[in-house]
Amino acid sequence: GEDVEQSLFLSVREGDSSVINCTYTDSSSTYLYWYKQEPGAGLQLLTYIFSNMDMKQDQRLTVLLNKKDKHLSLRIADTQTGDSAIYFCAESLEGNKLVFGAGTILRVKS
Amino acid sequence: DAGITQSPRHKVTETGTPVTLRCHQTENHRYMYWYRQDPGHGLRLIHYSYGVKDTDKGEVSDGYSVSRSKTEDFLLTLESATSSQTSVYFCAITRPGGNYGYTFGSGTRLTVV
Repeated sequence: GEDVEQSLFLSVREGDSSVINCTYTDSSSTYLYWYKQEPGAGLQLLTYIFSNMDMKQDQRLTVLLNKKDKHLSLRIADTQTGDSAIYFCAESLEGNKLVFGAGTILRVKS
Repeated sequence: DAGITQSPRHKVTETGTPVTLRCHQTENHRYMYWYRQDPGHGLRLIHYSYGVKDTDKGEVSDGYSVSRSKTEDFLLTLESATSSQTSVYFCAITRPGGNYGYTFGSGTRLTVV
């Protein structure tokens, strides 16, 4: 079945880069997503990448996709305390459904 | 997000009672989803809808039912609440085309005692 895996926790210092990794299983996924969840809130779409792309950059965010290894990463440059949150990777399935990973808690130390 | 609201935000209920959670959207999106969020599991799909009266089961649908009689409302019912259904429930909406992703509501924290 479909499965998305992420490491559970990442701690970085303010100003450093953060890299959050994800592996997925469905090679037919058309889109892959990164969502951010702050305490007590719903998930916000951060960015997405189409499956025929290797990389997407959006300001401080860089998404890398290795389709052969089914590996997705999110790099946050110059990480700030406001980036502390849970980050979810998700893959798209047929019928507009998403399968989410368990989430990576990012802690930014000042 | 202003286009999607969930009610109630918090609820405590007793084991064995029915509970209905409401998701309301003002975006006129066709697709609506109910997820539950539990530590270590991320979000798991309960039920989803592709339009009025068009619903289907997700991976964790046992003990839950849904209804969609209007485009804007998607109701999730726990027929007889159990402690294992204590969770945070999220509704999401989207439109066709994967580049839109989902828009999520703020969630309902349900505690079954």
